[in-house]
Order: sequence, then structure tokens, then C-alpha cells
Amino acid sequence: DTGVSQDPRHKITKRGQNVTFRCDPISEHNRLYWYRQTLGQGPEFLTYFQNEAQLEKSRLLSDRFSAERPKGSFSTLEIQRTEQGDSAMYLCASSPRNSDSNQPQHFGDGTRLSIL
Amino acid sequence: GESVGLHLPTLSVQEGDNSIINCAYSNSASDYFIWYKQESGKGPQFIIDIRSNMDKRQGQRVTVLLNKTVKHLSLQIAATQPGDSAVYFCAEIPPAGASKIIFGSGTRLSIRP
Repeated sequence: DTGVSQDPRHKITKRGQNVTFRCDPISEHNRLYWYRQTLGQGPEFLTYFQNEAQLEKSRLLSDRFSAERPKGSFSTLEIQRTEQGDSAMYLCASSPRNSDSNQPQHFGDGTRLSIL
Repeated sequence: GESVGLHLPTLSVQEGDNSIINCAYSNSASDYFIWYKQESGKGPQFIIDIRSNMDKRQGQRVTVLLNKTVKHLSLQIAATQPGDSAVYFCAEIPPAGASKIIFGSGTRLSIRP
């Protein structure tokens, strides 16, 4: 399967702990996106990378959140000092190289985070 | 602000019938729209897209209609099957850039046998 891969699929942690998620985009996709989805809602944009450069961050991305894409391939999303409100599905998506805005983003199956 | 909304949160359809899922968008400058299907425990799956210079696009068993005059988008699924059960999201990409997709809150489609 050469789709977007996310790890872990599920994460349960205590409030106050740090968590890190990984996303491996579709090979050759130079754009990578992170979204957050809560129950019954559509995904909300968090941040976007083109290659290794983080080009946009949503106001939803507080200073406890940090995302990296050091080599322009996989990406990590870290949440520090987790809070109850961080419980959600964290989705990663990627889109093709040299695409314009009219290209669909392909999503992974997400990491479901539960804060105890 | 920008928003993509859906008229109905749930839709129940008899197996074999056609399904129509509607969506309203507010940003008249948006130039690209996508329908995604999301099954339980999975990420959104691309179904079909349409650019603002088109008013209709057909795929396999699916058709997307775009009415820019009233800022309305619809997804038609022909001969609905049990495997079509999912939450369907319409989404728009604003013209400002290629980054974020703005999703609506979704319509849950259930199929009656």
C-alpha cells in the first residue's frame, strides 16, 4: 500500500504528558498537511509543509504543538503538556509535486488521541 | 468568515436508489471543490472534484453538480450500495493558496436493505 501512513493509529495518554505522531506521505508528494478532527465534525487545518518548509500554521496550533518535516519526507507532530481538549483524530494528508491548488489531498487513516 | 455547510446531517436511502447529498458554501471566490467519503475509523477518501469553471462532472456512479449562482454543491450517487454507507464531506479550497481545505461538518449516509 503506497498511501499516506500514520503511526500510531491510537494513542492513550494521561493529561500533561507529551505525545508525538508520525506521518509518511505518498512517495514523491512534496506537500504535507496536518488536520485535526473531532467527533461529528469535519477535519480542521492545522499546518502545511512544502518540502521541509512549514509554510502555514492555523491559529488552532497553539504553542504546545510543533510539527517538523526535517528531510522533506516524513513529518512529526508533537503535542506537549496534553490537555483534555486535545483528544481528537489527527489526520495527515499529502498532495503531488508541482501541483497547483486544484489537486486533491490524499489522507491517511489518522492517529486517534485520547487524553485520560 | 468562510464556511462550508451541509443542509442535512443524516440521510437514509433504500439500497438501489439514488442518493443526493447537498452542500452550501459561502466563499464565492472559491475555485475548487472536493467530495470526500469517510468510513468509520478511516481517513477521508477522495471521491470526485470539480473546478469552478465547470457545472457538472461525472465519475463512476457519482456525479457532482456545482451551481455558482446560489453557491451550492451536490453529490449524486447512483444505485446506492451498502458499501456507500459513510460520512460524506464537501470541501472547498479557497483561491488564496494551495494549502488548507475547508471542510463542512458532514452528512451521514445510511443504506436501508
